[in-house]
Amino acid sequence: QKEVEQDPGPLSVPEGAIVSLNCTYSNSAFQYFMWYRQYSRKGPELLMYTYSSGNKEDGRFTAQVDKSSKYISLFIRDSQPSDSATYLCAITRNDYKLSFGAGTTVTVRA
Amino acid sequence: GAVVSQHPSWVICKSGTSVKIECRSLDFQATTMFWYRQFPKQSLMLMATSNEGSKATYEQGVEKDKFLINHASLTLSTLTVTSAHPEDSSFYICSAGSNTEAFFGQGTRLTVV
Repeated sequence: QKEVEQDPGPLSVPEGAIVSLNCTYSNSAFQYFMWYRQYSRKGPELLMYTYSSGNKEDGRFTAQVDKSSKYISLFIRDSQPSDSATYLCAITRNDYKLSFGAGTTVTVRA
Repeated sequence: GAVVSQHPSWVICKSGTSVKIECRSLDFQATTMFWYRQFPKQSLMLMATSNEGSKATYEQGVEKDKFLINHASLTLSTLTVTSAHPEDSSFYICSAGSNTEAFFGQGTRLTVV
């Protein structure tokens, strides 16, 4: 069983729609939860990180963690064509090693 | 945020030759850096953890003699792919930073012909 499961999509939405992304993980020892955005042929860029259950907002982005269900989500409101990218969830214990999901490719249609 | 610079961004080499990829932390010191490999449409797979002044720690299944890692200073780690073969063609990415704020280089696309 993979440590982190993420539906690779692809996901296509019209401009202005809400993008909903999610991952599940298997080990309750994981403490930190991150979302990265990766454009084609570029390194990942950190969008958000959380360490507790609940919601965290940053502009149009909301990260949600449910530790009891081992489920994390990222919501993008008012999506723009520039949000088209691959989004990767990542989790870690306290040992600096990140375990990544497969990444979900998102296309926002103008 | 912090900047991690990776060089070169792409390289083509002949089968059997070696290729060195550099990863630099430009505005902070990194005692630990990480090297990942990413195949098309797949996630990042951790290859090894690079520790300044000591030997790298390799993940299971990664050949340490093929992927040589040197972390000679607090701002530079290098990955050398030795005797490269076409199956080594991939996107290699380094990262540095804390466990909650890992910063990634722009990646190196290696093509072995």
